Amino acid sequence: GAGVSQSPSNKVTEKGKDVELRCDPISGHTALYWYRQSLGQGLEFLIYFQGNSAPDKSGLPSDRFSAERTGGSVSTLTIQRTQQEDSAVYLCASSQHTGSRYGYTFGSGTRLTVV
Amino acid sequence: AQTVTQSQPEMSVQEAETVTLSCTYDTSESDYYLFWYKQPPSRQMILVIRQEAYKQQNATENRFSVNFQKAAKSFSLKISDSQLGDAAMYFCAQTQGGSEKLVFGKGTKLTVNP
Repeated sequence: GAGVSQSPSNKVTEKGKDVELRCDPISGHTALYWYRQSLGQGLEFLIYFQGNSAPDKSGLPSDRFSAERTGGSVSTLTIQRTQQEDSAVYLCASSQHTGSRYGYTFGSGTRLTVV
Repeated sequence: AQTVTQSQPEMSVQEAETVTLSCTYDTSESDYYLFWYKQPPSRQMILVIRQEAYKQQNATENRFSVNFQKAAKSFSLKISDSQLGDAAMYFCAQTQGGSEKLVFGKGTKLTVNP
């Protein structure tokens, strides 16, 4: 696609429910990143995928968070048993090159609200 | 841990005037990259400008330029001839050595007054 596409744009869920957030990167981009942006905060790294390599999961805040990337393209971020502190904007980004040195192309994010 | 500090939570500027947003960072790396991103209400982060630390020349992109002071670990963004469309959150970021992460500051909200 022309840009990084994320869905849904907004999601309201009840505490304790599971949610799935989807990211469709730019075609041909091998690197894919998930970041979390909490209210009034900067972006917090969650996970990074590069081609068929094992993902860098070092930013996932707890074992309730997981992500996968199928076929080197679409990625899904799953949050199990959501908590109110999970409320944030979840941003996905992709890059044609290996390495954050080139910067990323971001999607418009999913705003998650846990009530 | 590397940190990026944006000391101005909010800034305002009159249309057509110039404004400078501040950013300081902390790294022990000799080779790194710095970025300014713009986030309008649409939420999409847009890359404004990129600076390679090993280059002394300050990066420029049209009305946007940086003042990169490597010794002081300072990376400020200057916006000239400010336009209403420049109103947004601006985030400073740096690469983190040995990883693919970017470390972001907490952002500066820029208001442009007509």
